[in-house]
Order: sequence, then structure tokens, then C-alpha cells
Amino acid sequence: EAQVTQNPRYLITVTGKKLTVTCSQNMNHEYMSWYRQDPGLGLRQIYYSMNVEVTDKGDVPEGYKVSRKEKRNFPLILESPSPNQTSLYFCASSLRRGNSPLHFGNGTRLTVT
Amino acid sequence: DQQVKQNSPSLSVQEGRISILNCDYTNSMFDYFLWYKKYPAEGPTFLISISSIKDKNEDGRFTVFLNKSAKHLSLHIVPSQPGDSAVYFCAASAQTGANNLFFGTGTRLTVIP
Repeated sequence: EAQVTQNPRYLITVTGKKLTVTCSQNMNHEYMSWYRQDPGLGLRQIYYSMNVEVTDKGDVPEGYKVSRKEKRNFPLILESPSPNQTSLYFCASSLRRGNSPLHFGNGTRLTVT
Repeated sequence: DQQVKQNSPSLSVQEGRISILNCDYTNSMFDYFLWYKKYPAEGPTFLISISSIKDKNEDGRFTVFLNKSAKHLSLHIVPSQPGDSAVYFCAASAQTGANNLFFGTGTRLTVIP
């Protein structure tokens, strides 16, 4: 089954404790992206990747890192999480950038206390 | 600054009637528009898209209308079914060099049996 898999689904952590949210897709998609969803703000892009070893900032990259060492995986790293990073995070992929619909994972709800 | 706006946070419709969800955008460079549907605890799923060279696109019960001069698009669902109850996100991108989709804040549709 074609899918984007994120783990974990729920995560509660404390300020400053490094964490990684994993994302994997099995559709051989070139393009992958991370979004966060906050009330009243919709989904905002954090980082994206055009292909292996090619990543770039989205609209809200501060406090986040990503890597794309393999085509299928695109982990999101919070080196020192803060409470304002409490949010619902979605990983997404598409065949290519531009007019190619995104396929989303089921989300990771992160709480930073 | 929200470039894609969905001004109605919620909408209730009787089963069998038409649902009309609206979306406005401010960036005249946007030329590709999509609607996503989101159920609780799941990621958004692609529903329908339209390119700016068209003013209408239809897929079964779902039709998207684009009014470029008004920078407005709408999603019509006819007839509405209880299973259509979800949050609907409008999204837009500029195809040329597009690396990001800009999302609205979503409209929660409730279809009453």
C-alpha cells in the first residue's frame, strides 16, 4: 500500500531534550516536505527536500533540522525543543514539486513542556 | 500574512443538499489550486485540483470553480453525504519553481443525516 509513515504518532517531551520524528514513504517520490498545523494558521511548511541530499527552508524553519540521506526517509530533528514547537506535524511527499498532489502521513502530535 | 484564506471555520449542511466551501487568495502568482480533506487523527488527503488555465474541474460529486479575477475558488459537493463530514483545506502554489503549497486554515463541514 502506498503510504507516508510517521513515527511516533504522539510525543510528550521537555524543553531542551533533543528529539527526532521519522518519516518514510514507499512511493519513490522525489519531493518530501514537513508541515506544522496550528489553530487559526492552517498548515505551514517547515522544510522541504527536492531529492537526496537536497533540502531547503520553508516558511517556519527556525528550531528545526532535516536530512535526506535516502530517497525514502526524511526525518525532522528538534535539537532543543521549546514550548512554541508544540504542534501537530505532518510529513508529505509527492512525485515531483509543482503540480503534483502531496501525500500526507497521519501526523505526529508533539507537546513540549 | 495568510495568502490563502478560508473565512468560514465551519459549515453545516443537510444530507443530499449542496455544500459550498469558499477560499480566497491574495498572491496573483498562484496558478495551481487544490482541495484536501482531513478526517480526525489522519493526514490530509488530496481531493481535487484545478489549474489556472481552467475555471472549472469536476470529479464525481466534487466540482471546483476558479474565478481568477476575484482570486476566489470554491468547492461544491453535490449531493452531500454524512461521510463528507471533515475539515477541508484549500491550498495554492505557483507552479513555476513551486516548492511550497500555501494552505488555508480549513473549514469544518458537518453533513447532517
